[in-house]
Amino acid sequence: GQSLEQPSEVTAVEGAIVQINCTYQTSGFYGLSWYQQHDGGAPTFLSYNALDGLEETGRFSSFLSRSDSYGYLLLQELQMKDSASYFCAVRDKGGATNKLIFGTGTLLAVQP
Amino acid sequence: DVKVTQSSRYLVKRTGEKVFLECVQDMDHENMFWYRQDPGLGLRLIYFSYDVKMKEKGDIPEGYSVSREKKERFSLILESASTNQTSMYLCASSLRGGNQPQHFGDGTRLSIL
Repeated sequence: GQSLEQPSEVTAVEGAIVQINCTYQTSGFYGLSWYQQHDGGAPTFLSYNALDGLEETGRFSSFLSRSDSYGYLLLQELQMKDSASYFCAVRDKGGATNKLIFGTGTLLAVQP
Repeated sequence: DVKVTQSSRYLVKRTGEKVFLECVQDMDHENMFWYRQDPGLGLRLIYFSYDVKMKEKGDIPEGYSVSREKKERFSLILESASTNQTSMYLCASSLRGGNQPQHFGDGTRLSIL
């Protein structure tokens, strides 16, 4: 079967660094995405990794290790507005499709 | 900015009714998706479409159908609504291409009584 595992909840304080891990077991793998969803809002795209290594976009970074079937999202200099759910998602088919399998999400609570 | 608009934010229907959820995108995207989101289960793909009149089943298509007559519009149909279809429904669209991000609408919270 297809499965993605991520922690259900993470708590951190403002200004700190937090890492949200994602391990996956899928029939195919072509890339790992991260999405953010605030309570009551729409999911929004954060990052996409197709190759091993670290991708940085401002305060957010995303890492992928295909040999370990593992990735993480790193959030630095945490702000209250970062409190949200974070979903990892695997692209399991090649070609032009960007069909995704989503994890169950990690609820990040940032405390003052 | 990409705009994905879902026709209703909240909807209440009765068991056995035929329910239509509408989604419109304004960015000429080829791909469109319907998900349902339930607590603890994440987003699960119901159907997606990669072109007008084309559709593919996702992971949980049972009890649902879709229609894509125009490029900008993707409709989700619950043929005979049941209480276990009470959920948040999210529509998304994207350009064609494996690395293209999906852009989501605000969702429709559907309650089946």
